[in-house]
Amino acid sequence: NAGVMQNPRHLVRRRGQEARLRCSPMKGHSHVYWYRQLPEEGLKFMVYLQKENIIDESGMPKERFSAEFPKEGPSILRIQQVVRGDSAAYFCASSPTLVGGFFGPGTRLTVL
Amino acid sequence: ELKVEQNPLFLSMQEGKNYTIYCNYSTTSDRLYWYRQDPGKSLESLFVLLSNGAVKQEGRLMASLDTKARLSTLHITAAVHDLSATYFCAVVFREETSGSRLTFGEGTQLTVNP
Repeated sequence: NAGVMQNPRHLVRRRGQEARLRCSPMKGHSHVYWYRQLPEEGLKFMVYLQKENIIDESGMPKERFSAEFPKEGPSILRIQQVVRGDSAAYFCASSPTLVGGFFGPGTRLTVL
Repeated sequence: ELKVEQNPLFLSMQEGKNYTIYCNYSTTSDRLYWYRQDPGKSLESLFVLLSNGAVKQEGRLMASLDTKARLSTLHITAAVHDLSATYFCAVVFREETSGSRLTFGEGTQLTVNP
């Protein structure tokens, strides 16, 4: 049983471009959480999704950020018109129920 | 406000010594986790603590939970260099209506010197 998978592991974008981060949860997991870690800081919750539903997006910036978890395929965190302040590590975690969570390896986004 | 505070934020210790990292949280919690993170890596789950008085041990690390004081400790015994990492506590607050959303502390950056 493969763990939580994220890709790409490293992503470089120029200011104004779009970034798409993918998260494939563990098999059988229907709950996905996205967290952002700025350099030298702890992780901050962004969004919680179940299949085809956004349950809680209270941690997401109001503009430029969106997330989805379609019926088929990975969860996607999309950042439009990236700025330097978006440079961070983005982690997703999945769980089968409301309990627990397994973290993926993260995507490190660098905005030039 | 749902808040998790760790101290110290930076800890430099010698091999063979003991030390404790503290994690305070602001209101009732259903679960508390301790994670380890190495530079540039993801989070490795160390412990999950569910109830008052819970104590778990793995190797040189021992975690405990006092829900009345809203305090968890991570105790390091006879530290070795391999324990150098950043340690996070994270809490699922009971007020949270959305699943297992974690609120993280700022992290304690531990350096064990020979």
